[in-house]
Amino acid sequence: QSALTQPASVSGSPGQSITISCTGTINDIGGYNYVSWYQQHPGKAPKLFIYDVTNRPSGVSHRFSGSKSGNTASLTISWLQAEDEADYYCSSYTGSSTVIFGGGTKLTVL
Amino acid sequence: EVQLLESGGGLVQPGGSLRLSCATSGFTFRDYAMTWVRQAPGKGLEWVSSISDSGLTTLNADSVKGRCTVSRDNSKNTVSLQLNTLRAEDTAIYYCTRSDSTWYVPFEYWGQGVLVTVYS
Repeated sequence: QSALTQPASVSGSPGQSITISCTGTINDIGGYNYVSWYQQHPGKAPKLFIYDVTNRPSGVSHRFSGSKSGNTASLTISWLQAEDEADYYCSSYTGSSTVIFGGGTKLTVL
Repeated sequence: EVQLLESGGGLVQPGGSLRLSCATSGFTFRDYAMTWVRQAPGKGLEWVSSISDSGLTTLNADSVKGRCTVSRDNSKNTVSLQLNTLRAEDTAIYYCTRSDSTWYVPFEYWGQGVLVTVYS
């Protein structure tokens, strides 16, 4: 199964908002509310930032929000901060009883 | 505090085998599904294998199906990944992860990862 489709890179200035898209199919994103988003800084393990499409784990800033429309999920980061610069990965459970990740998006804070 | 500590990585030749282990602490191990996720050098994340809380159900990615076995010991709070017939493309950091429930996703906690290098 092919990976979910994410833009390779996005950028924004401090204080701005950005959105990262994650496109799949009816067999994954479109069919299940098991979309998660992970943040990864260089040389570090990934960290869960959004789960079940819209939920934030304890400790994750309210500046991060998730949504879904059809086969596309989105991660929005408001009030960008320098510390948000990282790689972001979406993932989804699939109807084939597997889990699929997106290719990752590098966020640059200008 | 939830802790996941992987071990067992290293250098192995193509066709060889390796067994990765993940020692856990800080939570009731038998109540959570566990998953291995890998990341090739400079590449993205790839789901490898998941195991249910009871250990009765396992899920595997097509890329490792038939070559990989995930198992757990609920009495020792450990999960393992047996990798056989290794290929160059299996070279990656392997992360042990814990879900937030008995369901397989999301991957709420991650270990620091262990490096597997397949070389000839």
